[in-house]
Amino acid sequence: GNSVTQMEGPVTLSEEAFLTINCTYTATGYPSLFWYVQYPGEGLQLLLKATKADDKGSNKGFEATYRKETTSFHLEKGSVQVSDSAVYFCALSGRGAQKLVFGQGTRLTINP
Amino acid sequence: NAGVMQNPRHLVRRRGQEARLRCSPVKGHSHVYWYRQLPEEGLKFMVYLQKENIIDESGMPKERFSAEFPKEGPSILRIQQVVRGDSAAYFCASSPENGAFFGQGTRLTVV
Repeated sequence: GNSVTQMEGPVTLSEEAFLTINCTYTATGYPSLFWYVQYPGEGLQLLLKATKADDKGSNKGFEATYRKETTSFHLEKGSVQVSDSAVYFCALSGRGAQKLVFGQGTRLTINP
Repeated sequence: NAGVMQNPRHLVRRRGQEARLRCSPVKGHSHVYWYRQLPEEGLKFMVYLQKENIIDESGMPKERFSAEFPKEGPSILRIQQVVRGDSAAYFCASSPENGAFFGQGTRLTVV
């Protein structure tokens, strides 16, 4: 079945550091890939997505590229801010309106 | 996404009571999903519904849990005879297609 594996956390960085959170997946067919962010006490917010190979999703300075050859969708940001502190989830879904399969989440803390 | 409304935000139940969690999807969205999140864990799929139909309930426990999405009104996740292990955050999501929008969740505490 489909599965998502994320880089284990927690991850602690200083402000303005470069961020990478690794995500790899196993899936049949051609899934859509997502990154969600969860702030303390809140629900999940869609951060970015990519629906086909080589697509790059981007939002708020975050980027991730759908790499079919390495089955990866790593999240990157060039210069993190304290306000980026949250839990980040990588997820996939099959074609059409299907359920999301989530990774275990990576807790990110940015220190000033 | 503020468009998906869940209530209540917090729910406390004693063991053996029933819990009812409500979800109103974004207007126009016909697909509703329920997920459960245990502390410090990711979200686990429970059930996928369209109006008046359960499409996929492969993540639902076999007993005590049920879900519905009637023609009119919100989707309801119902947990009968709650136990301490049911304590978790329950999230609803809606979508017209890939890329669900999530509500803020209901945090259920069983005491």
